[in-house]
Order: sequence, then C-alpha cells, then structure tokens
Amino acid sequence: DIQMTQSPSTLSASVGDTVTITCRASQTFSHIWLAWFQQKPGHAPKLLIFGASKLETGVPSRFSGSVSGTEFTLTINGLQPDDFATYYCQDYNLYSPWTFGPGTKVDI
Amino acid sequence: QVTLKESGPALVKPTQTLTLTCTISGLSLRTTDWRMSWVRQSPGKALEWLARIEWNDNAIYSSFLRTRLRISKDTSRDQVVLTMTNMDPVDTGTYYCVRMHPYSDWGQGILVTVSS
Repeated sequence: DIQMTQSPSTLSASVGDTVTITCRASQTFSHIWLAWFQQKPGHAPKLLIFGASKLETGVPSRFSGSVSGTEFTLTINGLQPDDFATYYCQDYNLYSPWTFGPGTKVDI
Repeated sequence: QVTLKESGPALVKPTQTLTLTCTISGLSLRTTDWRMSWVRQSPGKALEWLARIEWNDNAIYSSFLRTRLRISKDTSRDQVVLTMTNMDPVDTGTYYCVRMHPYSDWGQGILVTVSS
C-alpha cells in the first residue's frame, strides 16, 4: 500500500491565520485520487476535497487543495473557529487499497 | 439521502471473531458505481481504512490486515458485512461504515471493545 505522511502533526494557529498542511506519498500516484477530510472530536470525518483540488459541495471556499509531484497541500485561508479540528489526507486509488495519513491537529 | 448504520457487539473477547453489519438506507446495493468501506479509529488515534467492497463484487483489503478481514454484501437486504478474526485489545476502537468515492457518507460508528 502507499504510505502517507503528514506535516506538521500538530499546528497551533489563531483565527484569521492562513494554515498549510502537507501530505506526502511514499510513491507517485495520480493526484486525482487524493482527498482531505476534517474530523472534530466525537464526530465522523467530513470530506473537504477530492481529486486533490476539487472542493466538496458545501465546503467553504477558504479551503483549497493543491499538488506538486508527490506532495499534496491543504490550505485554509482565514482560519475560522469552526476549523479547529484534525485533518487527514487519503489516497483512494480505485485499483488499490486505500490509506489515510496520520492526521494533523489544528488547535489554538 | 443515504444513511448508514453499523450494528454488532460492543464487547468481544480476545481471539474471537468480530462481525459488523452496515445497514444502508437511501441506496440500493443492486445499483452500480458505489463503494462501501469500513474505517476504524482507535481511541485518540488516526483513521485506519480496513476494506471496501464495490458494486461489481470487487473486494479490496488493507495489506496489514488482509489475512484477518472479510467483507461481503447482501443486496437483498442492502447490507455490507465485515468480519475480523482473532480480535486483540489493540483492535479496540470505533468502526465506521462509509460510502465514499464517489460521495462521502459515514455511519455514526460503533465502539467495539476487545477485553476478556
């Protein structure tokens, strides 16, 4: 399986900040199969982005995704109080097992 | 609207086999272009993808747990079933049934504790 790493593991930020989370894959794969999820304590994860850069319906436009080689980035422009959560990237190659990254916790 | 509900035992003993059922509403498993996964999360830990089954009966497993897992579907009941053998305390966690890629619909999760 492809292994995913995320950095940082924890990120301290303030409301209004722009934050960037990076996800790296152990091998090259099609960027169309990279998703980002947000999870708050006690809740199931929520899909934010799929296809590396496509915003899921209903997700605020302050969230964006990009890719460069095997490095994927989730950016939150203008952090809101509701955004303090843990974020996971996921490889979802349709022909292989799927993998989540280890997560990045965004806190105050 | 698709809803997913997990059911199964809250407590299993070490070495036992866990069987979890996901009952699906709002989607017939007789249709195509769907993928149902099981994802688990140990307390305070990251999400872990376990297995998926697709409309065409294709079943794919985590390489790390492949030998212990089996996923199946019952189209007549619109259910997806996961079995995990040889349960261990490290398998304690919340198990989610998920429709994803396309879409992203999550069940509420079921907490399974492995303890003697």
